[in-house]
Amino acid sequence: QKEVEQNSGPLSVPEGAIASLNCTYSDRGSQSFFWYRQYSGKSPELIMFIYSNGDKEDGRFTAQLNKASQYVSLLIRDSQPSDSATYLCAGVNSGYALNFGKGTSLLVTP
Amino acid sequence: DAGVTQSPTHLIKTRGQQVTLRCSPKSGHDTVSWYQQALGQGPQFIFQYYEEEERQRGNFPDRFSGHQFPNYSSELNVNALLLGDSALYLCASSKGAPNYGYTFGSGTRLTVV
Repeated sequence: QKEVEQNSGPLSVPEGAIASLNCTYSDRGSQSFFWYRQYSGKSPELIMFIYSNGDKEDGRFTAQLNKASQYVSLLIRDSQPSDSATYLCAGVNSGYALNFGKGTSLLVTP
Repeated sequence: DAGVTQSPTHLIKTRGQQVTLRCSPKSGHDTVSWYQQALGQGPQFIFQYYEEEERQRGNFPDRFSGHQFPNYSSELNVNALLLGDSALYLCASSKGAPNYGYTFGSGTRLTVV
């Protein structure tokens, strides 16, 4: 059973809007969560990590973690066409492996 | 500062053959993990090497094996290739525990025919 779930999308938002990407996880032992961006044919690139309940902001990106609801999200403000990519959510439990979701495809339209 | 480097970038093999993929971690990193990413899927964890030992293994058969060298570089070996092994193989490195995430290499695209 997949431990991390994401809506595969595509999620389409207009340029300048807020993109909201969501992820749920089933393993309550997961401690840390990571958001990676992956352009088509390229390798994943780390955007943010979060391990405490609440919000964490970095530039246009905000990660949110709610351990009680087992829910992680990524908000992208002022979305740009260059943000169009697949966004991968991953959790780490007591081990060392990143458990990835399938990813959500984001399309930012001009 | 060199990032994670992988070789080769592309590879075509015949079913039943064996393949070796190589990875050099980012400077200062001592831990190397390997992931398999099929088309349209998220990366799947194969195994992780630390201090030249396999520290954790994912749900992959014994046909998948690896090695880490004293300079922290690593190899992934796959024996008796199946068509289903066709995927992007990603190497990721970190310094110790993954508190701040892993850095991925550009990957090796393996096609089994």
